Amino acid sequence: GAGVSQSPSNKVTEKGKDVELRCDPISGHTALYWYRQSLGQGLEFLIYFQGNSAPDKSGLPSDRFSAERTGGSVSTLTIQRTQQEDSAVYLCASSFSDSSYNEQFFGPGTRLTVL
Amino acid sequence: EDQVTQSPEALRLQEGESSSLNCSYTVSGLRGLFWYRQDPGKGPEFLFTLYSAGEEKEKERLKATLTKKESFLHITAPKPEDSATYLCAVHTGTASKLTFGTGTRLQVTL
Repeated sequence: GAGVSQSPSNKVTEKGKDVELRCDPISGHTALYWYRQSLGQGLEFLIYFQGNSAPDKSGLPSDRFSAERTGGSVSTLTIQRTQQEDSAVYLCASSFSDSSYNEQFFGPGTRLTVL
Repeated sequence: EDQVTQSPEALRLQEGESSSLNCSYTVSGLRGLFWYRQDPGKGPEFLFTLYSAGEEKEKERLKATLTKKESFLHITAPKPEDSATYLCAVHTGTASKLTFGTGTRLQVTL
């Protein structure tokens, strides 16, 4: 079956522009997670959804970051007024539920470069 | 605050030379410890989940073990295709997110 897909695979933008990153989870997975991976850093949690609700937004670095999920499926991560420090690989993962008994399956990521 | 530390940062092995990667953790209420493999330019690929001290899981040349403070990923007779970054992560009772270590970059040469 299809895995987690993300688009675009690469995004180059200018400082101050807004960007939208998209994630399509595995069909039937109710939990969806966003992480960020910067060069030399571990994966950093941003936000997670259970259905269309976001019980934990604690990892969003600033109010320039927001995310939504519609129809219990596709999610969009939006970064407004991008800064150079936002450059990173943004990874999406999904799991059958948010229980620790369900492994998270990751997409290939979106590499964001802010010039 | 949950913390995960992996060592070594990088490891170079010759084909057939067995070794172990370490993941030590300080968490409140471990619900699961996860191992992932990540190839360059790709997302992490799930390998194992361990839930309680003493548990072991195996897959091909890999074996993961868990104690109350750390986990080991043992690689037996590695091959060049085992070259990747291996990530350890914890799932705790206070959150549904995974907290990751920074990984061990493994290179296996002929």
